[in-house]
Amino acid sequence: GESVGLHLPTLSVQEGDNSIINCAYSNSASDYFIWYKQESGKGPQFIIDIRSNMDKRQGQRVTVLLNKTVKHLSLQIAATQPGDSAVYFCAESFTGGGNKLTFGTGTQLKVEL
Amino acid sequence: DAGVTQSPTHLIKTRGQQVTLRCSPKSGHDTVSWYQQALGQGPQFIFQYYEEEERQRGNFPDRFSGHQFPNYSSELNVNALLLGDSALYLCASSLTGTHEQFFGPGTRLTVL
Repeated sequence: GESVGLHLPTLSVQEGDNSIINCAYSNSASDYFIWYKQESGKGPQFIIDIRSNMDKRQGQRVTVLLNKTVKHLSLQIAATQPGDSAVYFCAESFTGGGNKLTFGTGTQLKVEL
Repeated sequence: DAGVTQSPTHLIKTRGQQVTLRCSPKSGHDTVSWYQQALGQGPQFIFQYYEEEERQRGNFPDRFSGHQFPNYSSELNVNALLLGDSALYLCASSLTGTHEQFFGPGTRLTVL
């Protein structure tokens, strides 16, 4: 079936460096994508979203890039901080499919001091 | 705004038992979705409720059922529990017609 997957299960970065978390999706009908951050013992926390009519969207210290040609999504975190350590999930949905979200397996981001 | 709340936080059951989990959506939201998250995995969609009816369902057996009340809160019921039902159960609320979903902290269910 359709799925969203991640290339790297674990990413380690030094504090202050930029982080890039990648995601591949397979449903070409998907028109909405979200990045969530999940800390241990907590529910997923919304970070940033992007619609399929956009290629890039920026938030506070975060940027999401969407490449529909290769069905690829990335999350860039600038000046990574220890508080950014968590598991990051990308998720997709499509208009006409309700707003059911399909998640990947996640990437563990570890920030080293 | 309290956001999405779920109860209980943790729950331990034995195989064959039944369980009910509860969710109160974020203020102003009318749609509730339930997800199951196994350890080390991403959340998997169970079903979604809107206007007190199940609107969408994922690939879960009939042992999983739900309900939505007039105040938009929701319950997830699981019958004949199996060891494999052990997971974090997440509730997410949204406003119909929008994509953005807000998640609660989850209920950790352990089946022994």
